[in-house]
Amino acid sequence: AQTVTQSQPEMSVQEAETVTLSCTYDTSESDYYLFWYKQPPSRQMILVIRQEAYKQQNATENRFSVNFQKAAKSFSLKISDSQLGDAAMYFCAYELDSNYQLIWGAGTKLIIKP
Amino acid sequence: GAVVSQHPSWVICKSGTSVKIECRSLDFQATTMFWYRQFPKQSLMLMATSNEGSKATYEQGVEKDKFLINHASLTLSTLTVTSAHPEDSSFYICSARDQWAGAHEAFFGQGTRLTVV
Repeated sequence: AQTVTQSQPEMSVQEAETVTLSCTYDTSESDYYLFWYKQPPSRQMILVIRQEAYKQQNATENRFSVNFQKAAKSFSLKISDSQLGDAAMYFCAYELDSNYQLIWGAGTKLIIKP
Repeated sequence: GAVVSQHPSWVICKSGTSVKIECRSLDFQATTMFWYRQFPKQSLMLMATSNEGSKATYEQGVEKDKFLINHASLTLSTLTVTSAHPEDSSFYICSARDQWAGAHEAFFGQGTRLTVV
């Protein structure tokens, strides 16, 4: 069965610095999608970035980028120039191709220090 | 991105009563909807998956007679918590997918905080 592991319950970073959140997953599939979602205090889930497994190029969205290592089954999120608004819970998720169900990691709480 | 509206945002109900939570896709056809429950400081726990016009598929351990899910149209799914008890108090989130759309993305409602007193 597919699993997603986020080993960092909490991370903190100084404003304007860079932080990396880790995520590993387990699957026997070759084609799949991986996601990072942000859940701020409002609790609205917001898509941060998406990676297709068949693409070797790492996805990038402005200050957010991923380091996707397919062989190692690793999918880390790098946030550059951290801003106070980045403070949130960050969840890594794997999408099952069969029914589009998302398998979620436990989440990492990101604290931004002003 | 597409918009999913979830209503109500919060609700307080008395123990033993039922409460209905609505999840609407405003600008796309939600062929598949997911209902989650989230406990404080925890991840999302999938309760059930529903496809339009079909019966919902419940995850192991979720009582289907207690958590009634209806997905009668391509824009609306409802979750009814029947005979609610204090232990049902939680944050409930819906998400919707258009399986025919090209992008692999689930869109989330704002969530509903249920408090049973």
